Amino acid sequence: DSGVTQTPKHLITATGQRVTLRCSPRSGDLSVYWYQQSLDQGLQFLIQYYNGEERAKGNILERFSAQQFPDLHSELNLSSLELGDSALYFCASSVQQGISGNTIYFGEGSWLTVV
Amino acid sequence: AQSVTQPDIHITVSEGASLELRCNYSYGATPYLFWYVQSPGQGLQLLLKYFSGDTLVQGIKGFEAEFKRSQSSFNLRKPSVHWSDAAEYFCAVGDNDYKLSFGAGTTVTVRA
Repeated sequence: DSGVTQTPKHLITATGQRVTLRCSPRSGDLSVYWYQQSLDQGLQFLIQYYNGEERAKGNILERFSAQQFPDLHSELNLSSLELGDSALYFCASSVQQGISGNTIYFGEGSWLTVV
Repeated sequence: AQSVTQPDIHITVSEGASLELRCNYSYGATPYLFWYVQSPGQGLQLLLKYFSGDTLVQGIKGFEAEFKRSQSSFNLRKPSVHWSDAAEYFCAVGDNDYKLSFGAGTTVTVRA
């Protein structure tokens, strides 16, 4: 158990819908990362927050957004869902905001199926 | 741009045999390198990491990896594989101090 908690573990929804994935980082971790794992794209970095502020953006679609709240939990919002958004979404956390000297711990992921 | 290549999509190894998973990276500066393992239905677990110093890195579950700058490689090894090592293994490079770029992964099957 990495200490990173993600909910829900599984989610099935229809195209065009909107869903919210939630992440609670490890106790004491200020940085939260979101990754998408799909069959065709592999593991892709989406976005990173540090202590409530956005720090880095990767291959995140405009239909997707995220935020980190004062209690440090984070939510990833996916809207106007398409079949291709079906994937495993990972949240990860770390104490610091950079990779250097830092260890990033991953949650077990949220499986999203769009039908 | 940074990238990671894992040349082997799938490896089958007998229980008790040695295992080596290859990883090549492309990165202009000193890389931060990682190996993660993903068991079926599980998240990503960090096996080991390299930031600097000794190029032979010891990790959990009996794994080790060697950083070779001249070959741009960071291969993962285990002397004797157990059935529980069957999983998918990902090599990653940390770039721009913010994100990990992952390889496509290598699936390891362990036969009795």
